[in-house]
Amino acid sequence: EVQLVESGGGLVQPGRSLRLSCTASGFTLGDYAMSWFRQAPGKGLEWVGFVRNKAYGGTTEYAASVKGRFTISRDDSKSIAYLQMNSLKSEDTAMYYCTGYHSGRFDPWGQGTLVTVSS
Amino acid sequence: DIVMTQTPLSSPVTPGQPASISCRSSQSLVHSDGNTYLSWLQQRPGLPPRLLIYKISNRFSGVPDRFSGSGAGTDFTLKISRVEAEDVGVYYCMQATQFPWTFGQGTKVEIK
Repeated sequence: EVQLVESGGGLVQPGRSLRLSCTASGFTLGDYAMSWFRQAPGKGLEWVGFVRNKAYGGTTEYAASVKGRFTISRDDSKSIAYLQMNSLKSEDTAMYYCTGYHSGRFDPWGQGTLVTVSS
Repeated sequence: DIVMTQTPLSSPVTPGQPASISCRSSQSLVHSDGNTYLSWLQQRPGLPPRLLIYKISNRFSGVPDRFSGSGAGTDFTLKISRVEAEDVGVYYCMQATQFPWTFGQGTKVEIK
């Protein structure tokens, strides 16, 4: 079964760091670009960032709201993509989703992991 | 940034009746490679988003054929030919032509 599973969410204090993982199974992660999205409670979807696959240089793009604080990386040998989140703010509180991206298609999607930034 | 505007924001529909959602972008979504990266996503209550349509009109695997997408340039439409109870949720258009990728506000489809 083609699947993505996010992990690493939780309660964290403002200013602290957290690393989310997105583990793939049932497909070859290295064939896909990967993207992270988030959804604040009761709000719409927001794009967070994107990492190309190695064939396209493995480079990254970020939303302005997280640039300089968040870093996306990937370990294709482990079939895992990461979202390193530093200097967390209360406005980063959201459900975080990872998804694969290939030829205009966003699939699969993970079930999400909840990040709560609060003192 | 490209602004995506959806209408309506809420759509009460009688089962078996059609529904239509419009999405307008603040600039053309035609990419330099000739493709238009406009997708439609469905989010049922309590679940992650699910891809319905990609590149304007391509129905994703497993999506019922009552869902269809159309449009070009800056104006796009998602149509549900006959709404079923399982179609309740929020529908988002999203552009992946230009960074930052952006979403419409979402349209809530509910059963009358």
